[in-house]
Amino acid sequence: GDSVTQMEGPVTLSEEAFLTINCTYTATGYPSLFWYVQYPGEGLQLLLKATKADDKGSNKGFEATYRKETTSFHLEKGSVQVSDSAVYFCALSDRGTGGGGNKLTFGTGTQLKVEL
Amino acid sequence: DTAVSQTPKYLVTQMGNDKSIKCEQNLGHDTMYWYKQDSKKFLKIMFSYNNKELIINETVPNRFSPKSPDKAHLNLHINSLELGDSAVYFCASSPGTSGYQQFFGPGTRLTVL
Repeated sequence: GDSVTQMEGPVTLSEEAFLTINCTYTATGYPSLFWYVQYPGEGLQLLLKATKADDKGSNKGFEATYRKETTSFHLEKGSVQVSDSAVYFCALSDRGTGGGGNKLTFGTGTQLKVEL
Repeated sequence: DTAVSQTPKYLVTQMGNDKSIKCEQNLGHDTMYWYKQDSKKFLKIMFSYNNKELIINETVPNRFSPKSPDKAHLNLHINSLELGDSAVYFCASSPGTSGYQQFFGPGTRLTVL
């Protein structure tokens, strides 16, 4: 079945540091890939997405590139801020199974804490 | 305007009780979902409905029964609540059933005592 593996957290960084959160996946079809962010006490918000190989999703300074050859979708940001402190989830939706209903398979989440 | 809303936001109840969580979306989407987030933040899909028809039913105890009276609503009823049901339950919606972004509600934190 489909699965998503994310790096374990928590990750603690100083403000303006470079961020990488690793994400790899296994899927039987042709997945769309997503990064969602969950701020404390809130629901999930889509951060960025990519729907096919070599696509780059970007939003709010965050980027991730869909790498089919390495089955990866690593999240990066060049300079993090305190306001980026949240839990980040990598997820896939496998379109190739046909009628699969668009369920999202999530990674375990990576908590990011950014300090001054 | 709230896109996906859930009520209640918090629910504290005793073991053995029956409770419901309601979800409404005003995005005009055809597909709605219920996810469970456990204490370690792990998210797992429970159910999905498309145009009021059940299309995803993961391995969930039959004490959990979703109901979709119309495309804009998907409610979750839980019978005979157990301690292990304590979690945050998220409703979500999407325009269709293949590869689309999902929009999440704020969550309902259920605590079973």
